[in-house]
Amino acid sequence: GAVVSQHPSWVICKSGTSVKIECRSLDFQATTMFWYRQFPKQSLMLMATSNEGSKATYEQGVEKDKFLINHASLTLSTLTVTSAHPEDSSFYICSALTSGGSYEQYFGPGTRLTVT
Amino acid sequence: AQSVTQPDIHITVSEGASLELRCNYSYGATPYLFWYVQSPGQGLQLLLKYFSGDTLVQGIKGFEAEFKRSQSSFNLRKPSVHWSDAAEYFCAVGAIAAGNKLTFGGGTRVLVKP
Repeated sequence: GAVVSQHPSWVICKSGTSVKIECRSLDFQATTMFWYRQFPKQSLMLMATSNEGSKATYEQGVEKDKFLINHASLTLSTLTVTSAHPEDSSFYICSALTSGGSYEQYFGPGTRLTVT
Repeated sequence: AQSVTQPDIHITVSEGASLELRCNYSYGATPYLFWYVQSPGQGLQLLLKYFSGDTLVQGIKGFEAEFKRSQSSFNLRKPSVHWSDAAEYFCAVGAIAAGNKLTFGGGTRVLVKP
């Protein structure tokens, strides 16, 4: 149980275009999901907290107009990288928070974004 | 604010030898503590967690960790490593009061020699 999927697993796009990444909780409902960014050989940095039915909360330094997050249902959150630039190339990982007292985050497999 | 330090960037260990990965955290109250493992190009897999109770926590794949409040540490151990344990290991701290956000340490890359 507690499986989180991400789609696509990797994507290459041209500079200036937008890319949407989906994060789904497959067998549980997640009112809260998180989006992380990971540069090569570095740790995960939290970008934003996504709450179902409300606006996402962005961490300091993260451009909310560039990284659009939508959490329209209890099983789906999307991250759209708008007007992508090469410096946006990274590994994006989402997680979904379980409820019921365990407060565990289950992580998706990640999406590798390369902007050319 | 929460913070996590993993002092060792790289650790090389022989197969069959024991492994200990260090993790120190900073948080005003009792945090939730986690260890995750990440294989190259993959997401994170939870090895174990500490919320409360017994300070020695057993996890998957033969790993255990001990919470020591006095030292603000949550070190991960495995008595005998296997070649498949080669990966990146992350310690993380979270708290309900912080909206269940996780703060990750910098990670420790474990290399296993045959």
